[in-house]
Amino acid sequence: DAKTTQPNSMESNEEEPVHLPCNHSTISGTDYIHWYRQLPSQGPEYVIHGLTSNVNNRMASLAIAEDRKSSTLILHRATLRDAAVYYCILRDRTIGNTGKLIFGQGTTLQVKP
Amino acid sequence: DAGVIQSPRHEVTEMGQEVTLRCKPISGHDYLFWYRQTMMRGLELLIYFNNNVPIDDSGMPEDRFSAKMPNASFSTLKIQPSEPRDSAVYFCASQPIGGPNTEAFFGQGTRLTVV
Repeated sequence: DAKTTQPNSMESNEEEPVHLPCNHSTISGTDYIHWYRQLPSQGPEYVIHGLTSNVNNRMASLAIAEDRKSSTLILHRATLRDAAVYYCILRDRTIGNTGKLIFGQGTTLQVKP
Repeated sequence: DAGVIQSPRHEVTEMGQEVTLRCKPISGHDYLFWYRQTMMRGLELLIYFNNNVPIDDSGMPEDRFSAKMPNASFSTLKIQPSEPRDSAVYFCASQPIGGPNTEAFFGQGTRLTVV
């Protein structure tokens, strides 16, 4: 499985935007880029995913570099509830492959009031 | 839907005892995953099923661990005999058909403590 690299931790102020980076220089053409997050004492939850184009949903935006070797998860206005560990994961879309979720260490986001 | 349901939420057992963790996936989902989370090793994929059939169990740590999915609405992860190093939070997740272009849904986890 292709590897991702994320900073161990980041801090943000409440109500400010947060940009969480992820490097995936060995990404293949068949990999989707997924983001999950894990709130304290909870199971992981899906945030967003994309393949080549930038994506938006009600939770966040995903900006994907043109060469796909990096991506950025954008939280437009951080709240205290967004404090969590954020995981950037590559999932292989080769036909017949379920693209199992392999978690790295993620980025621990702290949000200060 | 109530989401992925795991039971029990907490389990404390003595070393050497058998432990069974249970998972009810979301109805209609084709894939089911079992994960283990510890501070040292993070989230590890243990095994996953497709349409009740085990596809990849390469993450199962040793023969003391076994997982079954007798039908589409139920799965178990069994540890026999349990050891203190098995203490962790165990998560179950399910996913609809569509593979990597879909999202996985996780349960709340079972916190296992082996003393």
